[in-house]
Amino acid sequence: EVQLLESGGGLVQPGGSLRLSCAASGFTFSNYAMSWVRQAPGKGLEWVSFIRESGSDTYYADSVRGRFTISRDNSKNTLFLQINNLRAEDTAVYYCAKANAATASDSWGQGTLVIVSS
Amino acid sequence: DIVMTQSPDSLAVSLGERATINCKSSQSVLYSSNNQNYLAWYQQKSGQPPKLLIYWASTRESGVPDRFSGSGSGTDFTLTISSLQAEDVAVYYCQQYYSTLHTFGQGTKLEIK
Repeated sequence: EVQLLESGGGLVQPGGSLRLSCAASGFTFSNYAMSWVRQAPGKGLEWVSFIRESGSDTYYADSVRGRFTISRDNSKNTLFLQINNLRAEDTAVYYCAKANAATASDSWGQGTLVIVSS
Repeated sequence: DIVMTQSPDSLAVSLGERATINCKSSQSVLYSSNNQNYLAWYQQKSGQPPKLLIYWASTRESGVPDRFSGSGSGTDFTLTISSLQAEDVAVYYCQQYYSTLHTFGQGTKLEIK
């Protein structure tokens, strides 16, 4: 059974940083691309970032490019999202998701909440 | 960026009736080399993460009831629930993965009439 467990969220002041992690199990992590998707309270889904299987290619939403960095450690079956220079509008639940062969997200974690507030 | 626009924003349908949600992309998401539409549909119930229903615009994910179907090509797509069940109350999202920025639609809230 595929399991994705996010961690690292919390309350942070504007301008601060966090590193989110997503521990994967139940599948061969290194064979699948992964994504981060966020959802602000009461709002819709916002795609944040995507990383290929090897980590060689990464993509970002315009709203986070230059502040967020996606990475992965295939030896530890873990996906990361380094988020810097946080803004109030980054407050959201952050989900990690596994991509299927079509690149759609076929498995999702339960999410980790990031709150940016002074 | 490809902008995804769903309609309607909310929808109320009687149990057993058909529900139809539309999704329009600002440019085609049909990849000519494999003739596939890079379009997925997700269901998100209250307090839960999203669940993949449909990918390649019309391929049902394993385990998804066959009352859910996807159709369309190019820029116009539809998610149809043929006979609405109580457990289908949720917000539904389309997403394109044609471009390197995998944008979502704004969501459609489906309720029981």
